[in-house]
Amino acid sequence: AQSVTQLGSHVSVSEGALVLLRCNYSSSVPPYLFWYVQYPNQGLQLLLKYTSAATLVKGINGFEAEFKKSETSFHLTKPSAHMSDAAEYFCAVSEDTGRRALTFGSGTRLQVQP
Amino acid sequence: NAGVTQTPKFQVLKTGQSMTLQCAQDMNHNSMYWYRQDPGMGLRLIYYSASEGTTDKGEVPNGYNVSRLNKREFSLRLESAAPSQTSVYFCASTAEYSNQPQHFGDGTRLSIL
Repeated sequence: AQSVTQLGSHVSVSEGALVLLRCNYSSSVPPYLFWYVQYPNQGLQLLLKYTSAATLVKGINGFEAEFKKSETSFHLTKPSAHMSDAAEYFCAVSEDTGRRALTFGSGTRLQVQP
Repeated sequence: NAGVTQTPKFQVLKTGQSMTLQCAQDMNHNSMYWYRQDPGMGLRLIYYSASEGTTDKGEVPNGYNVSRLNKREFSLRLESAAPSQTSVYFCASTAEYSNQPQHFGDGTRLSIL
């Protein structure tokens, strides 16, 4: 069975500071990994995905994530936080089976202080 | 493009009432999903449909039924609502392969009193 652990349910950074949101996964096969962002009262929007083509993945809004197999990690980073980045972020792993359902982490709420 | 459309957006029910949540996608995707989102628990899979006429249980199917009548639409039914089913429900769809992202609707916020 696959699983995802997001360390830190709440992260607070100052505007302009580095954003680091942590994600560790467990999978018996090479995983497909995703980061989604959820703004208040909205659905989930894809930020980026890892599908084995490159270990450093660039996404929308200046976010990127690095796949580290040895650490089973897929941490999300952004060099400089903006007020508009305040949202909840979910890491997810995809089953490599016919069902292709996503297993989600519990989410990290990012606050950006002025 | 509309993507994934869910109706209604909000609903309040009394315990024991029934209702159907509707979902439609216009991306010609075969696979569709229903998730529920609860605080501190991320999203959990309720049911899945690989194609028209086929459905499969997910992680938390108890108390729910689904129907996939055609390629576009995938509905979720609560036959006898319980307070434990108060949640935000998301429908999603995806193309054939597991490396493709799922596309989500905006959710249905359901409260059961």
